[in-house]
Amino acid sequence: DGGITQSPKYLFRKEGQNVTLSCEQNLNHDAMYWYRQDPGQGLRLIYYSQIVNDFQKGDIAEGYSVSREKKESFPLTVTSAQKNPTAFYLCASSMRAGVGETQYFGPGTRLLVL
Amino acid sequence: GESVGLHLPTLSVQEGDNSIINCAYSNSASDYFIWYKQESGKGPQFIIDIRSNMDKRQGQRVTVLLNKTVKHLSLQIAATQPGDSAVYFCAETYFGNEKLTFGTGTRLTIIP
Repeated sequence: DGGITQSPKYLFRKEGQNVTLSCEQNLNHDAMYWYRQDPGQGLRLIYYSQIVNDFQKGDIAEGYSVSREKKESFPLTVTSAQKNPTAFYLCASSMRAGVGETQYFGPGTRLLVL
Repeated sequence: GESVGLHLPTLSVQEGDNSIINCAYSNSASDYFIWYKQESGKGPQFIIDIRSNMDKRQGQRVTVLLNKTVKHLSLQIAATQPGDSAVYFCAETYFGNEKLTFGTGTRLTIIP
C-alpha cells in the first residue's frame, strides 16, 4: 500500500450520522483522491485535491465533504445527506495532478450502515 | 461520453498458462495508461503503465500492449500463479487531466 494508510478498516454508520474516514500519506505527494467502489464495479471519483487548502468535486461528490489542511492528510466525511453510503472507500495519492502520473492507493475503508 | 471498458468481465486460466486481459478506450486524447491489480478487500496495486509514444512495455512476467489505431490496451501475464487471481483494472488519462478514468475490471481466476 506504499505509504498510504486509511483508518478504520471497517466503519459502521447509524442513520442520520456523519462519519469521517481518515487518509494519511508519507510519500510527500501533492495530490490526493477519494474514490468509492461498489461491489463488482469500478472506481468512481468523489473528491480530489491538488495542493493543500484546495480541493475539487469529482463525479459523485453529493453527500460527501473533504478538507486538506495538511499535505499528508485528506479526510473524507460521509454526511447524512448521502443516502446510500455502503461501499468500499479508497484513498489515493500521486506526486502531482494533471501530468499523467500514477496514483497509489491505500488499503481502503469499508463503510456499512446499521 | 468518454469511457474505458473491458471486453471480458471474468477469465479463468490454468496455473502456468499465460493470460491476456483486454481493455478498450474511447478517448483518443488519452496518452497514459495504467494497469492495476486488486485483491479481495484490498486497495488497487500498480502493476505497469505505458505512455502513448510506446506500443509495448514489459515488466516482471507482465507485458502491456497498446494499439492506438483501434484504441485497445492489453495486459499479458506469463506463467500465471495462484497469487495472480484478482480483479484487474485499466485506467487512462491525458496530460492536463487531473483524473484517471477506470474500467469496470476483469476478474482473473487461476485454476490450480
